[in-house]
Amino acid sequence: NIVLTQSPASLAVILGQKATISCTASESVNKFGINLMHWYQQKPGQLPKILIYNEFSRAPGIPARFSGDEAELNFTLTIEPVEADDVATYYCQQGLTFPLTFGSGTKLEIK
Amino acid sequence: QVQLKESGPGLVQPSRTLSLTCTVSGFSLTSYGVSWVRQPPGKGLEWIAAIWSGGSTDYNSALKSRLSISRDTSKSQVLLKMNSLQTEDTAMYFCARSGYYWYFDFWGPGTMVTVSS
Repeated sequence: NIVLTQSPASLAVILGQKATISCTASESVNKFGINLMHWYQQKPGQLPKILIYNEFSRAPGIPARFSGDEAELNFTLTIEPVEADDVATYYCQQGLTFPLTFGSGTKLEIK
Repeated sequence: QVQLKESGPGLVQPSRTLSLTCTVSGFSLTSYGVSWVRQPPGKGLEWIAAIWSGGSTDYNSALKSRLSISRDTSKSQVLLKMNSLQTEDTAMYFCARSGYYWYFDFWGPGTMVTVSS
């Protein structure tokens, strides 16, 4: 199974500043040159929402404040500038092989 | 528009079998895959099972012996059965749609399943 190690577990950021969330995969999630790493946002009491798919592609309606990147199996979700509405838990998920796996989540709070 | 909606019993006794139904609209089950994902209270997301657009299936290896996923395309429904339920299976159960790259672009609102006597 591909293990996704997500960090930090929680993060407090000042409004308007940058939040960086990391997700390290235990092996490659690349298929034909595309990293099948996806990011979700789950606000309290709500269902998850896709933010970023295939490493860096924003889902429809997702603002440019959200971006994805990768370096040597280490995937990063960046939110800049952070807004109050971004308070949520963020999850990474790999779509390369079954079983599909999620990271353990990062809870973002406003400082 | 694309919609998914889960239905289930709510409360299940330990050791019994859980049956969940995901009813979809706005897309065809022969064009998209559907997965079940669960989330215990206060915890993270766990993928459980998937049925591909072609009808093949995949399961979480830790749960595989207890699971069965199937579909009825005429009713636009995906069915999940899980046997030998334990208290640890208490969770919100979501169904979600996937395309070729296996990310979940649409989710149902979820159905809470509590395992208790």
